[in-house]
Amino acid sequence: EIVLTQSPATLSLSPGERATLSCRASQSVSSYLTWYQQKPGQAPRLLIYDASNRATGIPARFSGSGSGTDFTLTISSLEPEDFAVYYCQQRSNWLFTFGGGTKVEIK
Amino acid sequence: EVQLVESGGGLVQPGRSLRLSCAASGFTFDDYAMHWVRQAPGKGLEWVSGISWNSGSTGYADSVKGRFTISRDNVKNSLYLQMNSLRAEDTALYYCAKAGFSGGAFDIWGQGTMVTVSS
Repeated sequence: EIVLTQSPATLSLSPGERATLSCRASQSVSSYLTWYQQKPGQAPRLLIYDASNRATGIPARFSGSGSGTDFTLTISSLEPEDFAVYYCQQRSNWLFTFGGGTKVEIK
Repeated sequence: EVQLVESGGGLVQPGRSLRLSCAASGFTFDDYAMHWVRQAPGKGLEWVSGISWNSGSTGYADSVKGRFTISRDNVKNSLYLQMNSLRAEDTALYYCAKAGFSGGAFDIWGQGTMVTVSS
């Protein structure tokens, strides 16, 4: 099973600041890495698929990069609505795993 | 409107069974793989199971393999999860999710159905 490790667990930032979230895989996942945002009481929302492609309707301040085992989600300038928990996820044939999540909180 | 609506959750005793359903609308259901993802209270996301568009391929997390069975009915636009031998650690909100064209990302999610396993 491929394990995804997200860091940091919590990121305390102010609106307008840049957020950099990391996701590391225990073995290569090529570019099959996805990022989601989840707010309290809501279902997850797809942000980035295949490491760097923004999903429909996702603002340009969200970007993804990386390949192999190291991936990054960057939010260029935090808006109030961006404070949430972010998860990475990979697929390997018919086995999928999620990372433990990074909570982006208001400083 | 693209929509997934889960049902079938509830309170069940350990060792018993439960069947979850997910009704899909607003898209061509039999074009896409579908998945179940769960989230225990206050915890992160855990992929449970997935099924290809034609039911030819399925996958299960190790934690549910041999106990849960995923299936779909493309005529009824519905996804199912048969859960047997339930344990306390299966207590979670169960989401139905649609895979996108890339196959690896889940682009549409339902609001979830809660399963509580307790005596």
